[in-house]
Amino acid sequence: SQTIHQWPATLVQPVGSPLSLECTVEGTSNPNLYWYRQAAGRGLQLLFYSVGIGQISSEVPQNLSASRPQDRQFILSSKKLLLSDSGFYLCAWSIGTEIMNTEAFFGQGTRLTVV
Amino acid sequence: SQKIEQNSEALNIQEGKTATLTCNYTNYSPAYLQWYRQDPGRGPVFLLLIRENEKEKRKERLKVTFDTTLKQSLFHITASQPADSATYLCAYTGGFKTIFGAGTRLFVKA
Repeated sequence: SQTIHQWPATLVQPVGSPLSLECTVEGTSNPNLYWYRQAAGRGLQLLFYSVGIGQISSEVPQNLSASRPQDRQFILSSKKLLLSDSGFYLCAWSIGTEIMNTEAFFGQGTRLTVV
Repeated sequence: SQKIEQNSEALNIQEGKTATLTCNYTNYSPAYLQWYRQDPGRGPVFLLLIRENEKEKRKERLKVTFDTTLKQSLFHITASQPADSATYLCAYTGGFKTIFGAGTRLFVKA
C-alpha cells in the first residue's frame, strides 16, 4: 500500500535561518507531488507542485523553493526564513493526468514556528 | 480568478441531526469536486468525489450533491455523531492542481 512520510513533525526556527522539509512517498510510481501551507484557522494554500523529477511549478512567489531530486522525494526549502513563513506545511501526492487526477493523499504535516 | 468558497462560520448541531455544508465555486467549471475531512493538527483525509454528470453520491452516512447550474456542492452527514466534529474541506482539481476551500468547522454536540 502507499504511504507518505513527512518530517519533522514540529520545528522552531529563528528568523533568517534556513529551512529544509522532506517528504517521501512509498508504494507508487511517478506521483504528482504537492506542498501546501495552512495558516492558523485558514485554508490550504498551494505552494508548489511537481509532475516529474526536476519539474517544479510555483504557485505563490515567496522566499520558498521546492525540489524533486528523485521520483518519490519532494523537498521544501528556504535560505532565510521570515516570521510570515510560520504555519502548518503539508505534503501530498496524487496520481493522474492533467485531465483526471485522483484524490490527494496527505502527510501528517510539519508545524513550523519562526521566532 | 477561480474561487472556491465555503461558509467560514462554524456549524453547531445536535447529535442525531443532519449536518449540511455548502461549497460554491466561481469562474470555473470543474469536472469533479472532492470533499475532505481534517482533524486538528492532521492532514486532510479524502472522503468523496463527485463528477459533474453525477447529481448525487453517497457513502454510508455521507451524501454529496453537485449542481452545475448553481455552481454549488452540498455535503450532508446524516445521523451526526460527536466523532463527526472536524473541519470539512471542499476542493476542485484544475489540471494538476487541487485547490481547496477554507473549510467549514463542524461541532456535533452530544
